[in-house]
Amino acid sequence: TQLLEQSPQFLSIQEGENLTVYCNSSSVFSSLQWYRQEPGEGPVLLVTVVTGGEVKKLKRLTFQFGDARKDSSLHITAAQPGDTGLYLCAGASDSWGKLQFGAGTQVVVTP
Amino acid sequence: DVKVTQSSRYLVKRTGEKVFLECVQDMDHENMFWYRQDPGLGLRLIYFSYDVKMKEKGDIPEGYSVSREKKERFSLILESASTNQTSMYLCASSRDRGLYEQYFGPGTRLTVT
Repeated sequence: TQLLEQSPQFLSIQEGENLTVYCNSSSVFSSLQWYRQEPGEGPVLLVTVVTGGEVKKLKRLTFQFGDARKDSSLHITAAQPGDTGLYLCAGASDSWGKLQFGAGTQVVVTP
Repeated sequence: DVKVTQSSRYLVKRTGEKVFLECVQDMDHENMFWYRQDPGLGLRLIYFSYDVKMKEKGDIPEGYSVSREKKERFSLILESASTNQTSMYLCASSRDRGLYEQYFGPGTRLTVT
């Protein structure tokens, strides 16, 4: 059973468009991370959000952690082909450092 | 930069074989993890280790075992490979319990025939 649900599962857009990926759960997380994975590679950490309501920006990427720390969103402005990849959210809720991962959102940005 | 390496990128094994997947990290991290990744299911934790010779079961440990004899090395063992263990296997490490950022290796795509 997935504790973190991501939507949509797949997103195909044209270069220059905006997109938003959602990560939702019924559980509270102490922190939430977003990773991007490219074909044939392992996931790479993009950002960690810790405080409810927190907003972090990474160039054209904006990450938000919900007030109740149960959900998060990733917004990409003016997407570029280099943004193509599998975006994974992961929540931490215990003291061991274990993460619960969502199933991922495959984003394809075409020129 | 943290570097996590995995012994093989691609591996093909026969049903019933014993399979060893090796992972090495070079940043003196305390925690190490083994995941499998399947389409539509995301990453599922198999085992993790928070110290040398220490291991804890993750969400799907059945059919797997692990070994951590040295801090930098974490091995995943498939005692008797089965076709339903065909998957992408990812190793990760993180600094300690208080910091949750995980650094991943490139993965091993295992096919069991």
